[in-house]
Amino acid sequence: GAGVSQSPSNKVTEKGKDVELRCDPISGHTALYWYRQSLGQGLEFLIYFQGNSAPDKSGLPSDRFSAERTGGSVSTLTIQRTQQEDSAVYLCASSAPGLAGSVTQYFGPGTRLTVL
Amino acid sequence: SQQGEEDPQALSIQEGENATMNCSYKTSINNLQWYRQNSGRGLVHLILIRSNEREKHSGRLRVTLDTSKKSSSLLITASRAADTASYFCATEGGSNYKLTFGKGTLLTVNP
Repeated sequence: GAGVSQSPSNKVTEKGKDVELRCDPISGHTALYWYRQSLGQGLEFLIYFQGNSAPDKSGLPSDRFSAERTGGSVSTLTIQRTQQEDSAVYLCASSAPGLAGSVTQYFGPGTRLTVL
Repeated sequence: SQQGEEDPQALSIQEGENATMNCSYKTSINNLQWYRQNSGRGLVHLILIRSNEREKHSGRLRVTLDTSKKSSSLLITASRAADTASYFCATEGGSNYKLTFGKGTLLTVNP
């Protein structure tokens, strides 16, 4: 079946602009995650959605970052007033319900964001 | 913050040889997972080992977990050029399933 998809695959923007990154999880997966991968920081957790529960936003680096998940499916990560340090690959993952300690996250191909 | 630390940072071997990568972590975990990444893009899940397991196999992959030492190893046997990639360990702890990744090992398998 179809895996996690993300769009766009690449995004180049100017400093100060807002950007929106989209993630389509695997159908039926109730959990959705956003991670960021940058040269300086490696792979970092950003935010986690599980069903209708309040999201875990503990990884968002600043209030310029926000994310929504509409209808329990598609998610959008928004970065306002982008800065050069926001340049990174943004990865989305989803997972099916499962026993704690046994859940596998499936990753999309990522969006490479470059802020000029 | 990074929890896992992979060792070595880079590994270059010949096709057919075995590759061993190690991962250490700092806090208690529910499970430890290994992922592969080609060309800096999507992560491919390789194997998950739960905290109450000590060893797990999947094809040419063998993973061990020593919770007393807070360490894990990934062994790839009979390596192939197609195994060339970055390999990351990731730990899951707590109740919200978020993964904490190490910095990865870049494996190069020379034909």
